[in-house]
Amino acid sequence: QVQLQESGPGLVKPSETLSLTCGVSGYSISSGYYWGWIRQPPGKGVEWIGSIDRSGSTYYSPSLKSRVIISVDTSENQFSLKVNSVTAADTAMYYCVRSPHCTGGRCYNGGLYSEYWGQGTLVTVSS
Amino acid sequence: QSALTQAASVSGSPGQSITISCTGTSSDVGAYNSVSWYQQHPGKAPKLMIYYVSKRPSGVSNRFSGSKSGNTASLTISGLQAEDEADYYCSSYTSSSTLVFGGGTKLTVL
Repeated sequence: QVQLQESGPGLVKPSETLSLTCGVSGYSISSGYYWGWIRQPPGKGVEWIGSIDRSGSTYYSPSLKSRVIISVDTSENQFSLKVNSVTAADTAMYYCVRSPHCTGGRCYNGGLYSEYWGQGTLVTVSS
Repeated sequence: QSALTQAASVSGSPGQSITISCTGTSSDVGAYNSVSWYQQHPGKAPKLMIYYVSKRPSGVSNRFSGSKSGNTASLTISGLQAEDEADYYCSSYTSSSTLVFGGGTKLTVL
């Protein structure tokens, strides 16, 4: 059974870098799929941040692209998220997900939907 | 990219059917058969309920069904039950190789 688990600091100071890691069990990242991050500010809706494949190809939300880096470590079977220059608006529950990307004999960059979700980790930006 | 448009709230009585709509554009919902729907109970992670417009993952009740017409997708829940009370989000693949979510619909079971 595929399981994802987010980890990282729960408190980050404004202007600093938010760093999270998602550990994957029950499936090898090097076998395929896209692996992504989604966030949800308290009391608000969900927002797709971006995704990465096993080769390191990345796709980002246009609104976050300038501040986000997603990387993958297939040897550790994990992938990571960094968000630079954070503000209070980056306070949110952060989820990591696995995304299928092939259907009907065709594959699509970035991933088509979020199949498995981690339990989420709350990151608060505050001094 | 703009978020997909969903009604903020919908309600229904037990046993009834409700439909939640999700409106996008010709660059997302209208362009791809990759609309998905997620159910989120308070304090929990979202759960995939529908993918590829109308497919149900194993274990999801057949009371949940999805459809699409043009730039609008819909989630229908039949035989409404108290446990269906939750927030529901739609999502679509986009022509920019990204995913976009709707703002979410709060379902209240009266």
